[in-house]
Amino acid sequence: IQLTQSPSLLSASVGDRVTLSCKGSQNINNYLAWYQQKLGEAPKLLIYNTNSLQTGIPSRFSGSGSGTDYTLTISSLQPEDVATYFCYQYNNGWTFGGGTKLELK
Amino acid sequence: EVQLVESGGGLVQPGRSLKLSCAASGFTFSNYYMAWVRQAPKKGLEWVATISTSGSRTYYPDSVKGRFTISRDNAKSSLYLQMNSLKSEDTATYYCARRRPGYNLFDYWGQGVMVTVSS
Repeated sequence: IQLTQSPSLLSASVGDRVTLSCKGSQNINNYLAWYQQKLGEAPKLLIYNTNSLQTGIPSRFSGSGSGTDYTLTISSLQPEDVATYFCYQYNNGWTFGGGTKLELK
Repeated sequence: EVQLVESGGGLVQPGRSLKLSCAASGFTFSNYYMAWVRQAPKKGLEWVATISTSGSRTYYPDSVKGRFTISRDNAKSSLYLQMNSLKSEDTATYYCARRRPGYNLFDYWGQGVMVTVSS
């Protein structure tokens, strides 16, 4: 399964509601996770099974979707959210999306 | 606190071999599947290998199958990746990762180790 993330680059202001998209080439059956990777750091698990929040992750992060289309939403962007976000599917094999780089406007 | 610390990276010539290690702490290592994931410079992430709790089952993508071997030593809480016949396209940061029980996803990652394949 191929994953396509959009946009590849997103500029937003502090406090904005931000939406990142991930589209699969086949049905993912909700086996979709989101990772955050800050510059020079290891990826961090944010969301799994489409909408389950990993322990310790702020509630401003949420996930939704079904079938082939999934979304990560940050309800109110904070400066520390600047990072690249990857989606990951584990329904059929294990593949990552190409990433969305989120920067401050 | 879960900690995964990789070592063994460096510069290696094409066709040669290299072995990475990952020292785990803060959890019962023998209870978890473990994996390696890599990231080429300024590129996305690619799953490289997974190993079962006992080490009896291993999984690889086609891109490394037959060249890379994942193994573990539960007594030492350590994970390994033997990389043979290295190619320039294997140049990447390699991350050791813990697989969440019951799911094929990775909940904790190490800081990564750089492998450069170049003559």
